[in-house]
Amino acid sequence: DTEVTQTPKHLVMGMTNKKSLKCEQHMGHRAMYWYKQKAKKPPELMFVYSYEKLSINESVPSRFSPECPNSSLLNLHLHALQPEDSALYLCASSQGGSAGGMGETQYFGPGTRLLVL
Amino acid sequence: GEDVEQSLFLSVREGDSSVINCTYTDSSSTYLYWYKQEPGAGLQLLTYIFSNMDMKQDQRLTVLLNKKDKHLSLRIADTQTGDSAIYFCAEIPSGTYKYIFGTGTRLKVLA
Repeated sequence: DTEVTQTPKHLVMGMTNKKSLKCEQHMGHRAMYWYKQKAKKPPELMFVYSYEKLSINESVPSRFSPECPNSSLLNLHLHALQPEDSALYLCASSQGGSAGGMGETQYFGPGTRLLVL
Repeated sequence: GEDVEQSLFLSVREGDSSVINCTYTDSSSTYLYWYKQEPGAGLQLLTYIFSNMDMKQDQRLTVLLNKKDKHLSLRIADTQTGDSAIYFCAEIPSGTYKYIFGTGTRLKVLA
């Protein structure tokens, strides 16, 4: 099973709202990722968690707050977003073995399409 | 720079072969990947190739790697309308978790 699930599938929020995106995998992977993807562009890495610890933050604004409650779950908390934050948010996971090796093949979820009004 | 280049658009007729090209940047990348993204969906891992291989075949998919020129290609035989999507190549430079994605090629298959 190489499935990564994400909820919700779609989300519309105002600039003053607080919402959360959720991601789950049951492949025993120890690395999990958040990406942001704008239309017709490749995904851009936001955060990487390795063994439930934040290992990479790609200078993402603080209105995005990641959380990894356990090895299977990854959340992205959203607060005071801007219209330019509207995008497809993708979660991915990988085995979390030696960096650059086969363990780093990433499996992606279906994404959450976010619209900020 | 870190740009992984792909042609933007490819149009083929159903039943023909499609070839999608990618020029990557980091010779230390151990694995190179091809992902497919259908409209409104996530990225589906199609295939990958280890950097010490020249070719890998997986059913209708053939990956060719020219390490000297840092050129990767994906050939889809007997292309079907269901193959219409955006195709991204990706590399992971050695020692990092970070994918470097190509710019994406939109494949349109005409019936």
